[in-house]
Amino acid sequence: EAGVAQSPRYKIIEKRQSVAFWCNPISGHATLYWYQQILGQGPKLLIQFQNNGVVDDSQLPKDRFSAERLKGVDSTLKIQPAKLEDSAVYLCASSLSSGYGYTFGSGTRLTVV
Amino acid sequence: SQELEQSPQSLIVQEGKNLTINCTSSKTLYGLYWYKQKYGEGLIFLMMLQKGGEEKSHEKITAKLDEKKQQSSLHITASQPSHAGIYLCGADDGGAQKLVFGQGTRLTINP
Repeated sequence: EAGVAQSPRYKIIEKRQSVAFWCNPISGHATLYWYQQILGQGPKLLIQFQNNGVVDDSQLPKDRFSAERLKGVDSTLKIQPAKLEDSAVYLCASSLSSGYGYTFGSGTRLTVV
Repeated sequence: SQELEQSPQSLIVQEGKNLTINCTSSKTLYGLYWYKQKYGEGLIFLMMLQKGGEEKSHEKITAKLDEKKQQSSLHITASQPSHAGIYLCGADDGGAQKLVFGQGTRLTINP
């Protein structure tokens, strides 16, 4: 079974620029999560999708972050404009349903300079 | 919401030594996950525990969930350089069907 695919693996941008991350979950997994992990801390949930609907986006800074999951499969997370404090690893995870078993991708390491 | 506290935050051990990492929850644990992470990369699933008193092992790593289901421990026997990394515990956040994480434990193995 193919795992959760994320791209790019690394990204360096200047502050105020925009950036987008892509995630392809495991086939058939209805639930998709985006986490932000600032180095030295544990991952923090940004947004949770069930199919193509948002279940929880309470921790998403909506003035600059946006996410979508078209057709209930792939998802993109966008930051516009980026700030220095957005430097982090962005992790995508998926689960079959009802939060049972979470599989994580390799992450995207973002550096904002 | 549920909060997880890991201890210690960092650990340096000599190769061949045993070590234990603890994860304490503010609420009853209904699903406790252990992951390993290399610096700046994705999470690798190690084990999941659900029942109080449950214990699982994989190679030299053993995880336990205590009877009261508010604490879990991860024990590594005869540590090797390949065990180095960041260990994260994660828990199902009540009925919210999402994972909340501890802050992680950074493990260094000295040869």
